[in-house]
Amino acid sequence: GENVEQHPSTLSVQEGDSAVIKCTYSDSASNYFPWYKQELGKGPQLIIDIRSNVGEKKDQRIAVTLNKTAKHFSLHITETQPEDSAVYFCATRAAGNKLTFGGGTRVLVKP
Amino acid sequence: EAGVAQSPRYKIIEKRQSVAFWCNPISGHATLYWYQQILGQGPKLLIQFQNNGVVDDSQLPKDRFSAERLKGVDSTLKIQPAKLEDSAVYLCASSSLAGDNGELFFGEGSRLTVL
Repeated sequence: GENVEQHPSTLSVQEGDSAVIKCTYSDSASNYFPWYKQELGKGPQLIIDIRSNVGEKKDQRIAVTLNKTAKHFSLHITETQPEDSAVYFCATRAAGNKLTFGGGTRVLVKP
Repeated sequence: EAGVAQSPRYKIIEKRQSVAFWCNPISGHATLYWYQQILGQGPKLLIQFQNNGVVDDSQLPKDRFSAERLKGVDSTLKIQPAKLEDSAVYLCASSSLAGDNGELFFGEGSRLTVL
């Protein structure tokens, strides 16, 4: 089955700096790559996603890039703010609507 | 729009006891998922329903876990008997059949502690 590796597991940045999280996957049939944000005591919430026919997508301060050849995709958060502190998960989808999640990255934005 | 509702939020039991979790998905969502999230890990799919039929239960430990979605709306996940390694947050999610954007809407989860 699909295997999704996510790095780093923890990331500490100064407020205003950028944060980058990277994921690699194994199944070349994967065609949908969402990113979820999970705050303490809450369920994961979709923040941005990208499909396999697109190389990059941006939404205000967050962006995602995809390299299908290398089977990796990344989340970029610019001008980080304290409210960006959370755990972020990448995921992939191949057949059906089954998502396989990475192990998560705990992001801490220091004021 | 009401989100995915789950109960109970917290449950503490002893090993070998049983427990049940309930989920009410977003109205009109045909697909319902149960995920297990062990502390410090990403969610792992246990079972996926399309209406009241099972689409994928390949990672459900069927000797102790069971799930049902009667009438294609609410769902219940049961563990019997529980083991220490079942301590986790059980997340329910739902998605719309219409469209193929893959967005899953998660509930806040049910945290299980097995002593």
